[in-house]
Amino acid sequence: QLVLTQSPSASASLGASVKLTCTLSSGHSNYAIAWHQQQPEKGPRYLMKLNNDGSHSKGDGIPDRFSGSSSGAERYLTISSLQSEDEADYYCQTWGTGIQVFGGGTKLTVL
Amino acid sequence: QLQLQESGPGLVKPSETLSLTCTVSGGSISSSNYYWGWIRQPPGKGLEWIGTIYYSGSTYYNPSLKSRVTISVDTSRNQFSLKLNSVTAADTAVYYCARSYCSSTFCSTIGYIDYWGQGTLVTVSS
Repeated sequence: QLVLTQSPSASASLGASVKLTCTLSSGHSNYAIAWHQQQPEKGPRYLMKLNNDGSHSKGDGIPDRFSGSSSGAERYLTISSLQSEDEADYYCQTWGTGIQVFGGGTKLTVL
Repeated sequence: QLQLQESGPGLVKPSETLSLTCTVSGGSISSSNYYWGWIRQPPGKGLEWIGTIYYSGSTYYNPSLKSRVTISVDTSRNQFSLKLNSVTAADTAVYYCARSYCSSTFCSTIGYIDYWGQGTLVTVSS
């Protein structure tokens, strides 16, 4: 079964960096994912598509501070030089034949 | 710039049918590279995929909702629609429409969401 697992919460200080993790279920370690950001009281916004080799393509207007990487079944979103507006929920999403799946989301707090 | 806009009643009675439409502007719903879908988010909770449609009419649904969901497309109006029947309070959520880019050969998999609508809150209550 295709499942994505995310930690419920993370925190980091203003100006620092943070690395969020999304883990693919067993047997699906070669799947690509997408990262989405949802700021408080707003709809989600597409950040990037992240392949299993770590290559990624970002959406329009996404700052260079956002980057992605991969290792095995884990997919990462790194945000550097944290700003207050980065405080949001971050969701990973993947897909297969006839299915789309979301992780449970990580709530990022900027201290 | 692509835009997706949800529309429909904000209040639905229990046991009735929830109906929403997504109007696409700035791009064609008939493009062979994209799927069009619905996602919902109950208050305070995460995102749940409801289902997706291709311009040809091929549909895919979340197995947990499949018995109650119908998604259709109207290419002449550049719109696609969601119907969810026999609703209960558990169906209260913000409903989003979205576009997915299918990078696979012949669009054999749905792909990743690259554009979202702003969402519309639907409350199920008598």
